[in-house]
Amino acid sequence: TQLLEQSPQFLSIQEGENLTVYCNSSSVFSSLQWYRQEPGEGPVLLVTVVTGGEVKKLKRLTFQFGDARKDSSLHITAAQPGDTGLYLCAGADRGSTLGRLYFGRGTQLTVWP
Amino acid sequence: EAGVAQSPRYKIIEKRQSVAFWCNPISGHATLYWYQQILGQGPKLLIQFQNNGVVDDSQLPKDRFSAERLKGVDSTLKIQPAKLEDSAVYLCASSASGNSYGYTFGSGTRLTVV
Repeated sequence: TQLLEQSPQFLSIQEGENLTVYCNSSSVFSSLQWYRQEPGEGPVLLVTVVTGGEVKKLKRLTFQFGDARKDSSLHITAAQPGDTGLYLCAGADRGSTLGRLYFGRGTQLTVWP
Repeated sequence: EAGVAQSPRYKIIEKRQSVAFWCNPISGHATLYWYQQILGQGPKLLIQFQNNGVVDDSQLPKDRFSAERLKGVDSTLKIQPAKLEDSAVYLCASSASGNSYGYTFGSGTRLTVV
């Protein structure tokens, strides 16, 4: 059973298009992180969101944490081929001090030139 | 700063054989994690160390998997005997504070069991 559901599972778009990836759960998280993973590499942290309703921007990437801290979205504006990769969301257990993260299955994004 | 180092990068073994993976975390990081990532899925925590002590091994299949972190630095993860379903990427991560905010992952070891 996946604690975090990501959608869509696969996304294939042309350079310049916009896209949104969703991460949903029935559980409340103390924080939520987004990672990007390229083939043969480990996940690389993009952002951590902590406060319900929080919005963070990282160049063309916009991350939002839901008001109830159960869901999050990642929006990419004007996607580029360099954005290609597996995008993973991960939630930290509310109330836990152990540092354990629960990961979604990921969204595989392919951006064509 | 140097990242999390893992070796080997790839390993192919036959079922029922044993295998060991090695991880060297970022210097000074007290917390070390081993995650298993099966193809098409997100990483799943196997075991978490705080210095050289285990703080969470609830998801570790202890009948075949074992891990240690001697002296609170390097760590090894062992599988004995391996099963076909153990084929996955084994990721090591470390953090300074253990509060989920500052994970750094290694490149992983891709294990194929045939």
